[in-house]
Amino acid sequence: QKEVEQDPGPLSVPEGAIVSLNCTYSNSAFQYFMWYRQYSRKGPELLMYTYSSGNKEDGRFTAQVDKSSKYISLFIRDSQPSDSATYLCAMTSGAGSYQLTFGKGTKLSVIP
Amino acid sequence: GAGVSQSPSNKVTEKGKDVELRCDPISGHTALYWYRQSLGQGLEFLIYFQGNSAPDKSGLPSDRFSAERTGGSVSTLTIQRTQQEDSAVYLCASSLAQRNTIYFGEGSWLTVV
Repeated sequence: QKEVEQDPGPLSVPEGAIVSLNCTYSNSAFQYFMWYRQYSRKGPELLMYTYSSGNKEDGRFTAQVDKSSKYISLFIRDSQPSDSATYLCAMTSGAGSYQLTFGKGTKLSVIP
Repeated sequence: GAGVSQSPSNKVTEKGKDVELRCDPISGHTALYWYRQSLGQGLEFLIYFQGNSAPDKSGLPSDRFSAERTGGSVSTLTIQRTQQEDSAVYLCASSLAQRNTIYFGEGSWLTVV
């Protein structure tokens, strides 16, 4: 079993839809969770950063962590064509830990 | 510059040749990271620098890969005797000291033919 599992998609939704992106993980030591957005032929861009369980909201984006289920989610409300990208989850065990473990990414297309 | 800068952005090389990839981190960032992203794969950690020191080189795939950092700033990733399986995007990132919020460059797209 890989440490981090993420459905690669592709996921195609109409503009305005609510998008749910998910990752599961096996290492219970992970405490810090991140979501990156990567446009085609660009580097990953940090979207959300959360610690431990709970929710964090930033504009149209909400990150959710359920440590008991080892499951994290990213919700995008009122999706826009500009949200079309690959979304990568990443996680690590400690605040000072330098090595992030990434999922393979989910490719999202938002259709106008 | 404002962000992490990498060069070259694209490189096509013949099998067996050596390549050098350069990374210029965000000013003031003491930590620097190299990751590799192959088609259909997640990001694979290669090496981490704190200042000019590399405490962890365990992610380097083979002894054909090496990296250095000078002056606590620019880093070079060198791949010797390139193989086709080295074809990937090589991503550099930096952060303030050792933090989880790392910022990536746009990558160097390497193709070995």
